[in-house]
Amino acid sequence: GAVVSQHPSRVICKSGTSVKIECRSLDFQATTMFWYRQFPKQSLMLMATSNEGSKATYEQGVEKDKFLINHASLTLSTLTVTSAHPEDSSFYICSATSGPGGYTFGSGTRLTVV
Amino acid sequence: AQSVTQPDIHITVSEGASLELRCNYSYGATPYLFWYVQSPGQGLQLLLKYFSGDTLVQGIKGFEAEFKRSQSSFNLRKPSVHWSDAAEYFCAVADLYNQGGKLIFGQGTELSVKP
Repeated sequence: GAVVSQHPSRVICKSGTSVKIECRSLDFQATTMFWYRQFPKQSLMLMATSNEGSKATYEQGVEKDKFLINHASLTLSTLTVTSAHPEDSSFYICSATSGPGGYTFGSGTRLTVV
Repeated sequence: AQSVTQPDIHITVSEGASLELRCNYSYGATPYLFWYVQSPGQGLQLLLKYFSGDTLVQGIKGFEAEFKRSQSSFNLRKPSVHWSDAAEYFCAVADLYNQGGKLIFGQGTELSVKP
């Protein structure tokens, strides 16, 4: 079946630094990738939608200059949290789709900013 | 805008008992509905999905869900719960023809299973 590899699974960084999270579709071409954020005991909140080769579409309230998304190829999308602060600590999950109705999720990245 | 409501934040059932998790959606057209399960610190696993056709959908791990348009519901059921079913369950709706096909999730229901 379709697999999305997300790395790193856990990362701790210092306040003010940037962190990059990668999502790769291993056995299919992902035309669209979605990035979600999840706080403890809460649901997944969509941050942005990215299509290969074009700029990401951000949800209302999400700072696009803080959360940089790049979808340079059909198998790779990255989320960079710039100038991270403790309030950015969260669980980030990507999802890839190659067509209608087929969503494959990565295993998530636990970001802790100290 | 479409939305999903899961009225129950936390449910506890005894092992071997039946389970029903509620999901209500708001959507103007034919919805595309999903149920996912998430273990702590993990990604999401698809249990089942409904696009069209038979309104009773069978999924993995013995789960099933029934789409009821008149009630705007897509409740998840399992006849006999196992301890390993303890997890967080999310209902989601997708708009495949607008908004990039993004998934909108409900608030989630945490399932606890007691021996």
